[in-house]
This record gives sequence, structure tokens and C-alpha cells, in this order.
Amino acid sequence: NAGVTQTPKFRVLKTGQSMTLLCAQDMNHEYMYWYRQDPGMGLRLIHYSVGEGTTAKGEVPDGYNVSRLKKQNFLLGLESAAPSQTSVYFCASSYYSGQDLSYEQYFGPGTRLTVT
Amino acid sequence: GNSVTQMEGPVTLSEEAFLTINCTYTATGYPSLFWYVQYPGEGLQLLLKATKADDKGSNKGFEATYRKETTSFHLEKGSVQVSDSAVYFCALPANQAGTALIFGKGTTLSVSS
Repeated sequence: NAGVTQTPKFRVLKTGQSMTLLCAQDMNHEYMYWYRQDPGMGLRLIHYSVGEGTTAKGEVPDGYNVSRLKKQNFLLGLESAAPSQTSVYFCASSYYSGQDLSYEQYFGPGTRLTVT
Repeated sequence: GNSVTQMEGPVTLSEEAFLTINCTYTATGYPSLFWYVQYPGEGLQLLLKATKADDKGSNKGFEATYRKETTSFHLEKGSVQVSDSAVYFCALPANQAGTALIFGKGTTLSVSS
């Protein structure tokens, strides 16, 4: 049981290049999330998905696109990278325990992206 | 939507000192409340949670009590260890649908021996 895995762990891009970050989970979770973490800003939600084939915008979606073609995978794309997208990106997944409206998010180890 | 405010860090303590990290929130209704911890170089992991008012979450010697009167969920530990050095995040659902969490900005704790 690997939990949540992220690929790659590190990446350096030049301005204008594109890339895709892959997140995979083996816990059969319905919900998946992409966050970015920047110093002094905490975690900010980029996009999320409540099920296969569905996605929704979070707090800071501009410049990113996502896809959830399979339940276990959630892809984050940068079409034209900018230096402002230099950050650490975390993927997370969760179940939903309906009765008490509580749920735990499980996080991947992160991808450190630098855009020069 | 809901919001969370967490005390700014960094917090620097000696081993065996008492720790408090303040967290207050605004929310519709009485959502579940969470503390997450991030150790250096890792992703976040759940430390503890409370699902209703007056509940006390606890784990690894850390405790937090859900106080609806003061809308607070302060994290405490009676005697910190060097291994507790990490970043701590308070969190709650972003809205009543509960499909996403919002996190505080994080408090960095450094414990020296």
C-alpha cells in the first residue's frame, strides 16, 4: 500500500515550457486535490476532484489545468510555466465519512518545481 | 466560506517545555477541526481531529479541544521533544459541503536539546 505518490519529485523548467505532474493513490479514495505551498502562504488549493471525470477550481486555479480520467490518478498541468509558479506542489486524497462530516486528507511527498 | 487564523511563528522552545499554538476559526455550523503536521521534507499528515464541540483530539502527546464558545482549537503539548520540530497547520472544511479543507498558514516549531 503506497498511499499517495507523486511524480516527479523535482523539476526545473524554463519560462514558457509545459509539464504535467502526476498523482496516484491506491486507497480507492473518491476525492483528490492539488495544493501549492509557498513560504508564509501556507497551503493553497489549486484544483480538486470529487470523483472520476469531475474537477473543480480551488483558490488559485489560474495557469493550471487538471484531469481525472481514472479514479486513482489526478494530473496537474502547466501549459506555459511562469516564475510565479515556482513552488512545492502537494497532492492529497480523501474519503468522506458521511455521518460525522469529518474526513482525513492523505498527502503525497511533494514535487519541488522551479521555473527560471 | 469558512476561514482559519493561526498564530504566526516561528516558535522556538527548549526540550520539555510547554507548547501552545493558537488557532481560531469562523464557520457556518460546527465543522470538524483538524491539526496537520509536516516534518522536514515530507507531506502533511493528520495529527489529530475533533468532530464536535467540546471534543478533545489527542495523539503523540498533543491535544486540542474544540471550543465553540471561543471558536478556537488550540494545540498543546506538555513536554516537547526535539523530534516534534515541524510545521503545524490548523484546518477545517472550506464549506458545509465538506469537499475541501482550508489550512492556516502554518506555525514552525523548533525544539532544541
